[in-house]
Amino acid sequence: DSGVTQTPKHLITATGQRVTLRCSPRSGDLSVYWYQQSLDQGLQFLIHYYNGEERAKGNILERFSAQQFPDLHSELNLSSLELGDSALYFCASSQTGQGAGELFFGEGSRLTVL
Amino acid sequence: AQSVTQLDSQVPVFEEAPVELRCNYSSSVSVYLFWYVQYPNQGLQLLLKYLSGSTLVKGINGFEAEFNKSQTSFHLRKPSVHISDTAEYFCAVSLYTGGFKTIFGAGTRLFVKA
Repeated sequence: DSGVTQTPKHLITATGQRVTLRCSPRSGDLSVYWYQQSLDQGLQFLIHYYNGEERAKGNILERFSAQQFPDLHSELNLSSLELGDSALYFCASSQTGQGAGELFFGEGSRLTVL
Repeated sequence: AQSVTQLDSQVPVFEEAPVELRCNYSSSVSVYLFWYVQYPNQGLQLLLKYLSGSTLVKGINGFEAEFNKSQTSFHLRKPSVHISDTAEYFCAVSLYTGGFKTIFGAGTRLFVKA
């Protein structure tokens, strides 16, 4: 158990819909990272938050947005969903935002868009 | 642009045989280097990391990796594998581009046969 909690574990929805994925980092970790894992794209970095502030952006679509709240949990919002958004979405946390630290991954949220 | 290349998508090997999983990276800035392992239906967990100092790094479960700056490589090795090592292995680099982000390779599926 990494200490990172992601909900929901599985989600099935239709094209055009909007979903919210939630992540609770390990106790004491200030950084939250979001990744998308799919068979054709591999593990893609989406976004990094540190103590409520956005710190780095990767290949995150404009239809996607994220935020980190004062209690340090984070949400990833996916809207106008397309079939290609079907993937496993991972949240990871680390103590600092300095890059040298280990990332602790949750078990992921599997999104299926029909 | 920064990238991580894992040269083998699948590596089949017999139990108790040695194995090497290859990783090359490309970056114009200094990086930190990591290997993560993903077991089925789980998130990623850290095997080992290189930040600085000795180029030979030892990790958990008997794995080790060697950083070669001139060849920009960070290959993972284990002298004798077990069935339980069957998993997906990801090489990753962490770099600063206005904020720290960790980029992963496409992964190498290690399949250990009895």
